[in-house]
Amino acid sequence: GIQVEQSPPDLILQEGANSTLRCNFSDSVNNLQWFHQNPWGQLINLFYIPSGTKQNGRLSATTVATERYSLLYISSSQTTDSGVYFCAVERAQGGSEKLVFGKGTKLTVNP
Amino acid sequence: NAGVTQTPKFQVLKTGQSMTLQCAQDMNHEYMSWYRQDPGMGLRLIHYSVGAGITDQGEVPNGYNVSRSTTEDFPLRLLSAAPSQTSVYFCASSYLDGKAFFGQGTRLTVV
Repeated sequence: GIQVEQSPPDLILQEGANSTLRCNFSDSVNNLQWFHQNPWGQLINLFYIPSGTKQNGRLSATTVATERYSLLYISSSQTTDSGVYFCAVERAQGGSEKLVFGKGTKLTVNP
Repeated sequence: NAGVTQTPKFQVLKTGQSMTLQCAQDMNHEYMSWYRQDPGMGLRLIHYSVGAGITDQGEVPNGYNVSRSTTEDFPLRLLSAAPSQTSVYFCASSYLDGKAFFGQGTRLTVV
């Protein structure tokens, strides 16, 4: 099956700092999403971004499908950004219809 | 707009007991799925469905059963609970190849 690798596994920032999270995947995809799991366990969909660039406030994401990676940018981080960020992909070939998750990047933003 | 509703939020079972985790969505999504989340493992797909009457296995299906009699509901049955099934369970729904929405999770402990 498709492999999804996220880096770094852990990231500690001071409030106000910027960060970049990376997601590499091993096959062509037709679906890529970024999620934030807050400290209470809730999973929030941040971006649906199989290709191109999107921005939502302080967050933006870029997927370069031909090179099989996606980046999530967090600018001017806040303590509420803390949690785990997951990348999930669906393989393009074969109609797998399965969203496969990476193991996540745990972000801690200190005041 | 309820989105994806999971019940119960918490459950403790004894080894060998059976139970059903409920999942309902009100967005008329074709695709529904169940994941389990264990520390350090990310989210792993248990079973999924692309429409009423259609289900298929994910990465870790053993010990679980599903059915999809309506578009709205996708219950997950544990046939004979084992300690290895202690986990947090998430239900998700989406349009096919679309943005996924998650329920709030069920924390299950098997003793």
